[in-house]
Amino acid sequence: EIVMTQSPATLSLSPGERATLSCRASQSVNSDYLSWYQQKPGQAPRLLIYGASNGATGIPARFSGSGSGTDFTLTIGSLQPEDFAVYYCQHDYNFVLTFGGGTKVEIK
Amino acid sequence: QLQLQESGPGLVKPSETLSLTCTVSGGSISSGSYYWGWLRQPPGKGLEWIGSNNYYNPSLKSRVTISVDTSKNQFSLKLSSVTAADTAVYYCARGGDGSGHFMGRLVNWGQGTLVTVSS
Repeated sequence: EIVMTQSPATLSLSPGERATLSCRASQSVNSDYLSWYQQKPGQAPRLLIYGASNGATGIPARFSGSGSGTDFTLTIGSLQPEDFAVYYCQHDYNFVLTFGGGTKVEIK
Repeated sequence: QLQLQESGPGLVKPSETLSLTCTVSGGSISSGSYYWGWLRQPPGKGLEWIGSNNYYNPSLKSRVTISVDTSKNQFSLKLSSVTAADTAVYYCARGGDGSGHFMGRLVNWGQGTLVTVSS
């Protein structure tokens, strides 16, 4: 079983700042199957990034993903008020989906 | 635009079977090769994948059945022998790229439904 670990658990930043979220896999994974989601309170998650670095339809360009092997990063270039939310990474390995524990991006 | 909507009892007794249905509108459940799945989120906690089509979370596999009813454009979840630990918001979602790949690419989600397990 692959374990996805996200850090930090909470990120306190101000609007306009750059956010860097980390996701680490317990073993090397295929980046084609690495996704990032955003979830706001009371809402379903929304796909942001798939294949580690591809923006999903309608996702603003300030969201970008990178990484390979065991280490992946979600970057939010300049935080907008609507970006304060919880972010999850997810991997699909042999038809088993695993989520990280999430990173909450909160207003400082 | 594809929409998914969960429905089912909001309260289930311990040891009983939780049953939910996801109704798909704005598109045919038979169109393309997609993965129709369920996920859940206990209050205040993270996301857990339950299963998609015939693929299941190993930790839940013995208790889970997912079935697709193309005639009704619906798919369903059955989770047996529930306990308080199964209390969560349950989401249905469509995964994949339409060609049978990338099950984890969950673009379309339902709004979620809270299911509480309590006597």
